[in-house]
Amino acid sequence: EAQVTQNPRYLITVTGKKLTVTCSQNMNHEYMSWYRQDPGLGLRQIYYSMNVEVTDKGDVPEGYKVSRKEKRNFPLILESPSPNQTSLYFCASSFGGSSPLHFGNGTRLTVT
Amino acid sequence: RKEVEQDPGPFNVPEGATVAFNCTYSNSASQSFFWYRQDCRKEPKLLMSVYSSGNEDGRFTAQLNRASQYISLLIRDSKLSDSATYLCVVPGTGNQFYFGTGTSLTVIP
Repeated sequence: EAQVTQNPRYLITVTGKKLTVTCSQNMNHEYMSWYRQDPGLGLRQIYYSMNVEVTDKGDVPEGYKVSRKEKRNFPLILESPSPNQTSLYFCASSFGGSSPLHFGNGTRLTVT
Repeated sequence: RKEVEQDPGPFNVPEGATVAFNCTYSNSASQSFFWYRQDCRKEPKLLMSVYSSGNEDGRFTAQLNRASQYISLLIRDSKLSDSATYLCVVPGTGNQFYFGTGTSLTVIP
């Protein structure tokens, strides 16, 4: 089944404790992206990647890192999480261009 | 001006009603447009893609008006299960995707 898989689904952590949210897709998509969704603000792009070893900042990259060592994986790294990073996170992938995005099922992160 | 704008609603309509949402976009060069459905705290799911003047799938119709730079989503014979948030997504230059903030629909028995 074609899908984008994120893990974990739920994560509660404390300020400053490094964490990684994994994202994997099995559709051979070149384009992968991370978003956060907050009430009243909609989906905002954090980082995106056009292909292996190619990453770019989105609208809200501060406090996040990403890597794209393999085509299928695009992990999101929070080196020192803070409470303002409490949010619902989505990974998505696409063939790019005019193709639609396919979303993972989300990671709800709480930083206390 | 935002790249993509939607009326956030909420739209509360009775079962069986017809409801339409509009989405305006700022980049006149955009060639493709997408409507997604998002249920509470779940991932957006692709509902319809629009590449030319419009698209129809059962009770759902999407129409594109390039001159006025908006796309609309029409839902006929609304069902309770149509209650959700509907997101308008427009690919931009530089491989960005621009999202509207979503329109909330509640279908009432």
